[in-house]
Amino acid sequence: QQQVKQSPQSLIVQKGGIPIINCAYENTAFDYFPWYQQFPGKGPALLIAIRPDVSEKKEGRFTISFNKSAKQFSLHIMDSQPGDSATYFCAASEGNFKTIFGAGTRLFVKA
Amino acid sequence: DGGITQSPKYLFRKEGQNVTLSCEQNLNHDAMYWYRQDPGQGLRLIYYSQIVNDFQKGDIAEGYSVSREKKESFPLTVTSAQKNPTAFYLCASSMGTSGTPYEQYFGPGTRLTVT
Repeated sequence: QQQVKQSPQSLIVQKGGIPIINCAYENTAFDYFPWYQQFPGKGPALLIAIRPDVSEKKEGRFTISFNKSAKQFSLHIMDSQPGDSATYFCAASEGNFKTIFGAGTRLFVKA
Repeated sequence: DGGITQSPKYLFRKEGQNVTLSCEQNLNHDAMYWYRQDPGQGLRLIYYSQIVNDFQKGDIAEGYSVSREKKESFPLTVTSAQKNPTAFYLCASSMGTSGTPYEQYFGPGTRLTVT
């Protein structure tokens, strides 16, 4: 029940494409859903986050869509660029400070 | 510059030796975390601390130990009891109850290789 399932494992898109990464969870006590971006050899950095009381959040080219009834959320990257090539992790947190991470999606954006 | 410092970036040890990984933050955050990252896997929580002199086990605490004597510092010791210690170790911090508790800031990581 504590898992966050992330798909796909890897993704290749052309520059300008819209990669979509999906995550699903079971624990309805989760109340914060962040996405992290990680470049090779670096620590992850928070990209965007959403709470379950909203269905969509946009920050620049990054959009989270949230479906509370389906217990699913997804990351869309508009007009993707080669510099977006990285590993993306979805995550879910609840009030005890614990954050559960998905397994990650390796994105490669072709120039 | 505010941030999280982890040292060293690369660490090599012989099997059977304990090793301590350093993590320092100057963000004035209450909470600190240690994660382990293996290839193709997400981040797994080893230990976390919400406040000085207090810490809790995460999902994979066996073979690890921590201390939190100062707000700024949260060192992780990988003991010889850890069966598979070679991994990328990430330290993180968050504001805790004084702010947004869940937004975590990560350090650059330490890659530990045990042979």
